[in-house]
Amino acid sequence: QKEVEQDPGPLSVPEGAIVSLNCTYSNSAFQYFMWYRQYSRKGPELLMYTYSSGNKEDGRFTAQVDKSSKYISLFIRDSQPSDSATYLCAMRHRGGSNYKLTFGKGTLLTVNP
Amino acid sequence: NAGVTQTPKFRVLKTGQSMTLLCAQDMNHEYMYWYRQDPGMGLRLIHYSVGEGTTAKGEVPDGYNVSRLKKQNFLLGLESAAPSQTSVYFCASSPLASGGANEQFFGPGTRLTVL
Repeated sequence: QKEVEQDPGPLSVPEGAIVSLNCTYSNSAFQYFMWYRQYSRKGPELLMYTYSSGNKEDGRFTAQVDKSSKYISLFIRDSQPSDSATYLCAMRHRGGSNYKLTFGKGTLLTVNP
Repeated sequence: NAGVTQTPKFRVLKTGQSMTLLCAQDMNHEYMYWYRQDPGMGLRLIHYSVGEGTTAKGEVPDGYNVSRLKKQNFLLGLESAAPSQTSVYFCASSPLASGGANEQFFGPGTRLTVL
């Protein structure tokens, strides 16, 4: 079993829709959970991160972590064509020396105007 | 600040040729990474460095070598390129982890084709 599983999609939604992107993981030592956004032919960039369990909101984006289920989600409200990108989840252990991230394979999202 | 830059942006090699990809960062970050990204495979870590003069193997190190002679530069070498090394290569850097997300900052990528 892969440490991090992410449905690659593709996911196509109309403008204004609510989008839900998800990852599951198997390693209970993961404590930091991140979402990176990657536009076509660009490098990934950090969108949001959450420490341990709970929710975090930033504008139209909400990240959720359910450690009991080993499941994380990213919700996008009022989706826009500019949100069209690949979204990668990433995780790491707690601890100052553990700097490596484990990435999901990414979900390709297209928001149609 | 330029952030993370990669040279070259595109390259076509023949099987057996060698080349070096250069990554530079101007953020004074301790950690640097080389990834490859292939369709359906996601980002896979090739090698990484936790500081000047140090390197370590990642998930898929075979066929690659790296060097970190200066803190701001991280070089990825292919000694004898193979078609299986056709990929998009990303360099990233991150600051010394002191809690938090340890955000990795990515370069724009190098598209390499090996014929």
